[in-house]
Amino acid sequence: AQSVTQPDIHITVSEGASLELRCNYSYGATPYLFWYVQSPGQGLQLLLKYFSGDTLVQGIKGFEAEFKRSQSSFNLRKPSVHWSDAAEYFCAVAPYSGGGADGLTFGKGTHLIIQP
Amino acid sequence: NAGVTQTPKFQVLKTGQSMTLQCAQDMNHNSMYWYRQDPGMGLRLIYYSASEGTTDKGEVPNGYNVSRLNKREFSLRLESAAPSQTSVYFCASSEGRGRGSNQPQHFGDGTRLSIL
Repeated sequence: AQSVTQPDIHITVSEGASLELRCNYSYGATPYLFWYVQSPGQGLQLLLKYFSGDTLVQGIKGFEAEFKRSQSSFNLRKPSVHWSDAAEYFCAVAPYSGGGADGLTFGKGTHLIIQP
Repeated sequence: NAGVTQTPKFQVLKTGQSMTLQCAQDMNHNSMYWYRQDPGMGLRLIYYSASEGTTDKGEVPNGYNVSRLNKREFSLRLESAAPSQTSVYFCASSEGRGRGSNQPQHFGDGTRLSIL
C-alpha cells in the first residue's frame, strides 16, 4: 500500500522568505501526487498536481513542486511567502492503477507559521 | 458556485445516538468520498463511491455506513456513535471513476462532530 511522509509537523518562516515543505512517498510505481492547503476551519484546496511529464509543476498562489523519482519526493516550494500562506499543507498520493482502495492517501500535514 | 456542500457544519451527540451526515455536489462528478481528519493523523478515507449505486470501504470503515443516493448525494451514517468517532468529517468529489483516478478531489468545508 502507498504511504506519504511529511517529516516536518511545524515550520516557521519569516514573511518574504522562501519556503520548502517536504513530502516523501512510498509506492511501487509512479503515483499521482497532489498538494492541498487547508486554512483554519476550512476544507482542503488543491494547490497543484503531478501526473507525468515535466517534473516541475506550477500551482496556484505562486507555489510549485518538483517530482524527484530517485528520491521518491515531491517537495512544495514558494520563493517568497505571505502572511496569508499560514495554513496546514497536505501532500497526497493516488494509485496509478488498481490495487487497494480508491481515494487519496494523505500525509499527516505540515503546519506553516509565518512570522512578521 | 457551491461545489461540495456538507450539512450540518457542527453537531454534538451522546454516545449511542445515531446520525447521518449529508453531502451534495453540483459538479456532476462521478466519484465521491468520505474522510475523517484527526489531529496529527491527516485525512483517512472512510468510504468512497466510484459511481452511482456503488460504494466501497476505505481505510477506516468500521462504525460507519454510506449511501450513494444519486449522482449528487453521498451520505455517511453513524448507527451508534462512540467517543472515538469525534472528528472532523470531510466529503469530497472528483470527475474520475473507479480506481487509479488522476482527477483531483474537491472538498467540502467539513462537519465537526463531537461525541460525548
